[in-house]
Amino acid sequence: DIVMTQSPDSLAVSLGERATINCKSSQSVLSTSNNKNYLAWSQQKPGQPPKLLIYWASTRASGVPDRFSGSGSGTDFTLTISSLQAEDVAVYYCHQYYSAPLIFGGGTKVEI
Amino acid sequence: EVQVVESGGGLVQPGGSLRLSCAVSGFTFGSSWMSWVRQAPGKGLEWVANINQDGGEKHYVDSVRGRFTISRDNAVHSMFLQMNSLRADDTAVYYCARGGWPPDFWGQGTLVTVSS
Repeated sequence: DIVMTQSPDSLAVSLGERATINCKSSQSVLSTSNNKNYLAWSQQKPGQPPKLLIYWASTRASGVPDRFSGSGSGTDFTLTISSLQAEDVAVYYCHQYYSAPLIFGGGTKVEI
Repeated sequence: EVQVVESGGGLVQPGGSLRLSCAVSGFTFGSSWMSWVRQAPGKGLEWVANINQDGGEKHYVDSVRGRFTISRDNAVHSMFLQMNSLRADDTAVYYCARGGWPPDFWGQGTLVTVSS
């Protein structure tokens, strides 16, 4: 199984500042057949279900603000929140969908 | 509007069984992979299983394979999770989600508690 490792476990960022979350997979999630990274990011606010933010490592899901961006390829990925807003307080999960079982990272808690 | 609504959770004794249901609307269910994802109290997300559009392809996490069965009925826009031989470590909120690769829209979840 692919292991997903996120860092840091938590971070505190001032309003308007940048937040950066890292995710590393134990093996590449880049498909050579279509050159796509099978890596997604989801956000879970307190008391709510998860919400998909990013898929294919860098494609924003519908309605996701452009302050959220994803980057990386192969085994190393990053989620960046360019200017943190109060409503961005949440736990963020990376997850691979290259192969079953789909695996989530341990989560990164973002606080103000 | 996409809606995904789970039901069937509750308290069950170790070794018991439970059947979760997921009713959907607002999208073409018969054209969508579907997934179950769970979250133990205070813990992270764990993918449980997914199923393809006609139910002919299913995948499970190792910890539930042989005990849980995912299924769907496209005629009534519903997905199910039959859970047998339940253990304490199956205690979690179980989310139904549209999509399989990856899940892209989750319901509010239903709580399953396995305890004597």
